[in-house]
Amino acid sequence: SQTIHQWPATLVQPVGSPLSLECTVEGTSNPNLYWYRQAAGRGLQLLFYSVGIGQISSEVPQNLSASRPQDRQFILSSKKLLLSDSGFYLCAGSRVGRDVSEQFFGPGTRLTVL
Amino acid sequence: GQNIDQPTEMTATEGAIVQINCTYQTSGFNGLFWYQQHAGEAPTFLSYNVLDGLEEKGRFSSFLSRSKGYSYLLLKELQMKDSASYLCAVVDSNYQLIWGAGTKLIIKP
Repeated sequence: SQTIHQWPATLVQPVGSPLSLECTVEGTSNPNLYWYRQAAGRGLQLLFYSVGIGQISSEVPQNLSASRPQDRQFILSSKKLLLSDSGFYLCAGSRVGRDVSEQFFGPGTRLTVL
Repeated sequence: GQNIDQPTEMTATEGAIVQINCTYQTSGFNGLFWYQQHAGEAPTFLSYNVLDGLEEKGRFSSFLSRSKGYSYLLLKELQMKDSASYLCAVVDSNYQLIWGAGTKLIIKP
């Protein structure tokens, strides 16, 4: 079965500091990968998705970036965090195939920017 | 634009039945997912419907009507552990997932 590892679980960072969140996948090859942000009591906002190594699509303009240096590794970064970057960050993956497959999620990182 | 509507919050009693509705307006349709999300945790997959009708999976069932742009999640024999948010998500014509804001379900003893 597919598993997503994500760390850290919680993070408190000052405004203007850099960010790097890492996500790794087990149990499937060449998955589609996604970074979501969820504000308290809200739905999921898709930030980035990737269909392969080095291939990143951005859904919303912001001061965040993503990279996929390896097939099963997806990284979310920022050079300078803003207060509005606070939220629950979720990495997700899905199998690639003819049929639609569900997305499976990592445990998430709760980021607080002070 | 693309839109998914769910009630913000619902309350039900332990042992009872509850129906959570989801209506959608999207550019194309390639299926609808229901996910469960406990507070502070990641969403977990519950069901996927792509054809009209009812899919039953234990205490949980999901229904879809593509002509009406409507789905519901039915939870029977409610347990306290069912207290969670329930997210509806539609796969659009580009095979992207469009997420609803979720319905917070509160179970009372």
